[in-house]
Amino acid sequence: EAQVTQNPRYLITVTGKKLTVTCSQNMNHEYMSWYRQDPGLGLRQIYYSMNVEVTDKGDVPEGYKVSRKEKRNFPLILESPSPNQTSLYFCASSFFGTGRLGYTFGSGTRLTVV
Amino acid sequence: GENVEQHPSTLSVQEGDSAVIKCTYSDSASNYFPWYKQELGKRPQLIIDIRSNVGEKKDQRIAVTLNKTAKHFSLHITETQPEDSAVYFCAASWETSYDKVIFGPGTSLSVIP
Repeated sequence: EAQVTQNPRYLITVTGKKLTVTCSQNMNHEYMSWYRQDPGLGLRQIYYSMNVEVTDKGDVPEGYKVSRKEKRNFPLILESPSPNQTSLYFCASSFFGTGRLGYTFGSGTRLTVV
Repeated sequence: GENVEQHPSTLSVQEGDSAVIKCTYSDSASNYFPWYKQELGKRPQLIIDIRSNVGEKKDQRIAVTLNKTAKHFSLHITETQPEDSAVYFCAASWETSYDKVIFGPGTSLSVIP
């Protein structure tokens, strides 16, 4: 089944404790992206990647890192999480063209930083 | 910078009535406009999209219209059903610049049985 898999689905952590949210897709998509979703603000792009070893900042990259060592994986790293990073995170992928065929989203990761 | 506005932020309709959600984009170079539906607790899913060389597109009860001159596009849902209740996001992107999709803030649609 074609899908984007995110893990974990839920995560509660403490301020400053490094964490990684994994994202993997099995559709051979070139383009992958991370979004955060907050009430009233919609989906805001954190980072995106157009292919292996090619990443760039989205609209809200501060406090996040990403890597794209393999085509299928695009982990999101929070080196020192803070409470303002409490949010719902979505990974998304598409064929090259940002969504000519539309994004496929992962099932989301709800992160709480206390 | 690029921006997508979306109205209304909330919308309640009676079952069977029509619902219309409108979006305005800022960058005239935008040429691809998808709509996503997000049911409560679930991921956004693409429901329909339109490209700038087309004025209207239909898929059963949903349709999208695009006015390039005015830089706005709309989602129309006819004969609404309770399962249409969800948050709807419009978005704009650029086929010549494969780096961004800008989302609107979302519209929460409630269909009252």
